[in-house]
Amino acid sequence: TQLLEQSPQFLSIQEGENLTVYCNSSSVFSSLQWYRQEPGEGPVLLVTVVTGGEVKKLKRLTFQFGDARKDSSLHITAAQPGDTGLYLCAGRAGSYQLTFGKGTKLSVIP
Amino acid sequence: NAGVTQTPKFRVLKTGQSMTLLCAQDMNHEYMYWYRQDPGMGLRLIHYSVGEGTTAKGEVPDGYNVSRLKKQNFLLGLESAAPSQTSVYFCASSYSRYEQYFGPGTRLTVT
Repeated sequence: TQLLEQSPQFLSIQEGENLTVYCNSSSVFSSLQWYRQEPGEGPVLLVTVVTGGEVKKLKRLTFQFGDARKDSSLHITAAQPGDTGLYLCAGRAGSYQLTFGKGTKLSVIP
Repeated sequence: NAGVTQTPKFRVLKTGQSMTLLCAQDMNHEYMYWYRQDPGMGLRLIHYSVGEGTTAKGEVPDGYNVSRLKKQNFLLGLESAAPSQTSVYFCASSYSRYEQYFGPGTRLTVT
């Protein structure tokens, strides 16, 4: 069973601060995705990274896939209350199935 | 274009009762999935389908059955509900191996 460990589990920060969320595994993944989930809704895909060392930017969000394709990070610059939610990473090792991390619950305080 | 819809949104069952959760997608996706989400456990795959008429077991299939008679629909059945099946159930669909589109979820409580 492939596991994805996310850290931290909970994060509460003030508006305007920067933060980084981590997603780590001992397994290699062919691709890794980040989703954001708001209360009472399903997860929504933010980004997919495929190549080791790949960096993708989505406005104030920066995603990085580790060189060995075993880990990933999500960095948010100048966090806003609208960034509040549960951030999930999910890795694919070649099958149709995704392995999800348990998530990081982010609260941005105005 | 409604995306992925799930019926019902909420349900309360008594132990031993049965029910079927319906998932429908209008994006012509080949792949469909059923997950459950529990506090501290993340999303866990129950069953999935790679096309009409096909189904396969995921990580936690016990106590559930599925059917994909039509491409746009994926049904999840509980034959004899147990309190351990209290959870939020999400359906998802995808056209490739890369991204999945999720429905809004069904909150099920088994007493």
